[in-house]
Amino acid sequence: QVQLVQSGSELKKPGASVKLSCKASGYTFTSYALNWVRQAPGQGLEWMGWINTDTGSSMFAQGFRGRFVFSLDTSVSTAYLQISSLKPEDTAVYYCAREEENWFDPWGQGTLVTVSS
Amino acid sequence: QSALTQPASVSGSPGQSITVSCTGTSSDVGSYNFVSWYQQHPGQAPKLMIYEGSKRPSGVSNRFSGSKSGNTASLTISGLQAEDEADYYCCSYARSNSYVFGTGTKVTVL
Repeated sequence: QVQLVQSGSELKKPGASVKLSCKASGYTFTSYALNWVRQAPGQGLEWMGWINTDTGSSMFAQGFRGRFVFSLDTSVSTAYLQISSLKPEDTAVYYCAREEENWFDPWGQGTLVTVSS
Repeated sequence: QSALTQPASVSGSPGQSITVSCTGTSSDVGSYNFVSWYQQHPGQAPKLMIYEGSKRPSGVSNRFSGSKSGNTASLTISGLQAEDEADYYCCSYARSNSYVFGTGTKVTVL
């Protein structure tokens, strides 16, 4: 079945970097864009942007430009989200989600990133 | 792009119908029929419930329905059941290949 499996929780210090993964299975990886969504503790969903899994081009929502990078390894059907210069306010669950036409399905299980000294 | 506006909470008794609203602008909800709705239980990933405003994915109960009027989209849950208690988020396609989520609504089954 179509599935997205994300990497495990991360605990990082402020100023460090982190790279999260999202491995796809059950479909042709390069046929659908992947989106990333952030959910801070107790807060709502926030769209971060997408990456075209065929061309590698990406787009970021305002507020996620600069420290955030999307990348791919199509040989293993995996997308990555790298966040640099981590701040305590980056503490959140980060979800990847397959974009089908104009909706998101399925979603990965999420990766909790905790930024604390 | 500002978040779409949803009520913080909506409640109903088992068997009743409730409606969750999602208000955007002419730049998102009002311009496109690309509103989707997601259900999120505590500690779980969101799940697609409605797409393109009113379409239900395979496996989603027909108790869930969606509609849109102007800049406001709505999700209606009929025959409310205990398992429907969750957070619900709307999402709309916006200009320039972007998306925006709603603020989220906690649905409580009394």
